[in-house]
Amino acid sequence: ETGVTQSPTHLIKTRGQQVTLRCSSQSGHNTVSWYQQALGQGPQFIFQYYREEENGRGNFPPRFSGLQFPNYSSELNVNALELDDSALYLCASSPPGQTNEKLFFGSGTQLSVL
Amino acid sequence: GDSVTQMEGPVTLSEEAFLTINCTYTATGYPSLFWYVQYPGEGLQLLLKATKADDKGSNKGFEATYRKETTSFHLEKGSVQVSDSAVYFCAPASGGTYKYIFGTGTRLKVLA
Repeated sequence: ETGVTQSPTHLIKTRGQQVTLRCSSQSGHNTVSWYQQALGQGPQFIFQYYREEENGRGNFPPRFSGLQFPNYSSELNVNALELDDSALYLCASSPPGQTNEKLFFGSGTQLSVL
Repeated sequence: GDSVTQMEGPVTLSEEAFLTINCTYTATGYPSLFWYVQYPGEGLQLLLKATKADDKGSNKGFEATYRKETTSFHLEKGSVQVSDSAVYFCAPASGGTYKYIFGTGTRLKVLA
């Protein structure tokens, strides 16, 4: 079984641009969560998608948006990039039918905003 | 809101030394408690978990006990190895939305 895969692994953008990050969840997992991990910090919850609907959101502005597709893969979109958006973006999937259970993380996308 | 406080790193130990990484949390209700580990260049991996008071999670020689009375979930290992060098994150999770609250992480460096 394949794990969680994210693309691209690294990305460089400039302020004001838009970016799309992609995540393929682990086989059989229908829930995907996105986290932002700034350098030297713990991951911060951005939002979660369950069966193509947003199912919880952290303290991030509306320019952070997402999608989940019927195959449970997901995208994170960030508009009007700011320097502080530079971080490692982690996607995590989890299996159906469980609450507060194990998250399976991808290796992340390192975004640098110049 | 929910929060977690972790022992600041880096923690540098010699091989076979005893490890403790402190973690305390504030949360509404009774969260599940997790420790995740992040090796260089990788995503986070679940190390261990405990879902109710007095539960002990254990894995790979690491242990942590859910202490409701002190709202703590300290990570311990009796004899660390060089391969344990990584960043360790404490994370309570509650509310049924998988919304984990991660600590800032504690970097562990084990010297041969």
